[in-house]
Amino acid sequence: IAGITQAPTSQILAAGRRMTLRCTQDMRHNAMYWYRQDLGLGLRLIHYSNTAGTTGKGEVPDGYSVSRANTDDFPLTLASAVPSQTSVYFCASSDGTSGSTDTQYFGPGTRLTVL
Amino acid sequence: GQNIDQPTEMTATEGAIVQINCTYQTSGFNGLFWYQQHAGEAPTFLSYNVLDGLEEKGRFSSFLSRSKGYSYLLLKELQMKDSASYLCAVTDSNYQLIWGAGTKLIIKP
Repeated sequence: IAGITQAPTSQILAAGRRMTLRCTQDMRHNAMYWYRQDLGLGLRLIHYSNTAGTTGKGEVPDGYSVSRANTDDFPLTLASAVPSQTSVYFCASSDGTSGSTDTQYFGPGTRLTVL
Repeated sequence: GQNIDQPTEMTATEGAIVQINCTYQTSGFNGLFWYQQHAGEAPTFLSYNVLDGLEEKGRFSSFLSRSKGYSYLLLKELQMKDSASYLCAVTDSNYQLIWGAGTKLIIKP
């Protein structure tokens, strides 16, 4: 079944550790996104990529980095995790670029706890 | 600043009708989305409105008034499985998607 996968499903991490959240889509979508979702707040965009080889900053990029080496994969890295990065992280993709109104499709999410 | 307002929580009865409102103030407008999100799961697409009026899709309908910065999602013949959060999101002039915090809908038998 086509879609988006994320790994790990959940993770408990010590502050200061490095962590990479994985995201893979098999829909050949151009654009991919990373969001965080915190209780009482809307989804907030961390980083996005309109196509392989390009990335851009979203609303809350500090402390996170991304890469887009190919169409399918869009990993998110926390270089040195802090407790405020405790959140649920969703990866999404859309057929068009982020400068379009195409529907975004979401992965199942990664629940990250930083202690 | 950009803002999307939705009620935090609503309660309705199985078999009834419920309307979830969304008001927005954004720099420009290029469309409005409604997503459904069950607890612990990913958001899934429900509807998209870019022109004024009502879009009907089975038991769900979505309405848009651009002049009022207002949308609503109408759910008919409520079922227990409709218990979820409903997220309103607006595409602004830069085609960035701005998300509301979501409305948690509780369905009671």
